[in-house]
Amino acid sequence: KNEVEQSPQNLTAQEGEFITINCSYSVGISALHWLQQHPGGGIVSLFMLSSGKKKHGRLIATINIQEKHSSLHITASHPRDSAVYICAVKPLIQGAQKLVFGQGTRLTINP
Amino acid sequence: DTEVTQTPKHLVMGMTNKKSLKCEQHMGHRAMYWYKQKAKKPPELMFVYSYEKLSINESVPSRFSPECPNSSLLNLHLHALQPEDSALYLCASSQIATVGLDYGYTFGSGTRLTVV
Repeated sequence: KNEVEQSPQNLTAQEGEFITINCSYSVGISALHWLQQHPGGGIVSLFMLSSGKKKHGRLIATINIQEKHSSLHITASHPRDSAVYICAVKPLIQGAQKLVFGQGTRLTINP
Repeated sequence: DTEVTQTPKHLVMGMTNKKSLKCEQHMGHRAMYWYKQKAKKPPELMFVYSYEKLSINESVPSRFSPECPNSSLLNLHLHALQPEDSALYLCASSQIATVGLDYGYTFGSGTRLTVV
């Protein structure tokens, strides 16, 4: 079992829909990261969370440390949001400079 | 400057060639990373440099040789690669984190390597 599990693996929605991507992890962490990767492209860091909730434009990320769960929400989705969204955690017990990645959620927003 | 710059963006090399990938950042980050990413898979950590010293080597074959000449520059030297080494190679940087603390990561756009 992976230490970081994301769901769904693939998600297709219509423009304007509210999107939720979930991430569950099984280890104690110092931080959780949400990353975005467009096809063939590099990775953009969206959020780093250690507690609570963060918002940036149409993106909202929440984390529940007790339940070891995080969600990424996209409001008023747009075709340019189509990308792979990756959840990654910094475990407390491993080397300080090591991220553990989920398998990613491939999001497609149709116009 | 808030970017990690990787060159080249694309590289095709034969199995007997020697080539190098370059990564540069000017954000004052003292941790730099090499990741390998195969299609439709998450990135896999290869190497971590902290304060210009190699701190993590994830049992990477010796045909990959990292180098950190200074705090802004990270190289990955390639020699005698195999076709299965074809992948997207990503560089990243961050502030040095201790256990219980973390900082954000900045990733480059990657070098897409094809070994023929």
